[in-house]
Amino acid sequence: DGGITQSPKYLFRKEGQNVTLSCEQNLNHDAMYWYRQDPGQGLRLIYYSQIVNDFQKGDIAEGYSVSREKKESFPLTVTSAQKNPTAFYLCASSIFPLTSGVNSEQFFGPGTRLTVL
Amino acid sequence: DAKTTQPNSMESNEEEPVHLPCNHSTISGTDYIHWYRQLPSQGPEYVIHGLTSNVNNRMASLAIAEDRKSSTLILHRATLRDAAVYYCILRVAGNQFYFGTGTSLTVIP
Repeated sequence: DGGITQSPKYLFRKEGQNVTLSCEQNLNHDAMYWYRQDPGQGLRLIYYSQIVNDFQKGDIAEGYSVSREKKESFPLTVTSAQKNPTAFYLCASSIFPLTSGVNSEQFFGPGTRLTVL
Repeated sequence: DAKTTQPNSMESNEEEPVHLPCNHSTISGTDYIHWYRQLPSQGPEYVIHGLTSNVNNRMASLAIAEDRKSSTLILHRATLRDAAVYYCILRVAGNQFYFGTGTSLTVIP
């Protein structure tokens, strides 16, 4: 049963702490993405990765970091430098990288809701 | 980023068809029209996409105006499980997806 998993579903963090959100996919997709969603808003792209060991900043990368050591995994670290980290975080993947020129859909995980106390 | 305009909210009765409009007057020739939907506290789900011709799949139909400046997502028989936020997105292959605020669909039993 292929798909994308994110853990944990809910996460609480104290101010000043770094926290890492997990994203795993078994779809054999090349590209993976992290989005942030605030209440009543659309999704904003934080980082994306088109292949292993490569990643690019999205529109709101400040205060976040990522790694892509394995094709299946794309963890996101929310650092203490992120001024307003409370949000719903969504991971996605697509079979082809953005630069392939192929118009492929994105598959999303269930999300992690991060709350900073 | 390519712009789309959608109504903030719509209502439909259960078992009736729903037509969700989207305006994209600045669309260019290579922009694909994508629709995703998001149920509460879940990730978005792909619904359908098209370029010029109308498209049908098991979930919905996409009707694209001849000048491509607007499109309509058609749910043929709304169910309670179709209550979600529907996003209309323009995308050039190779570029990011830009999600706006979408249309919140309420289905009335």
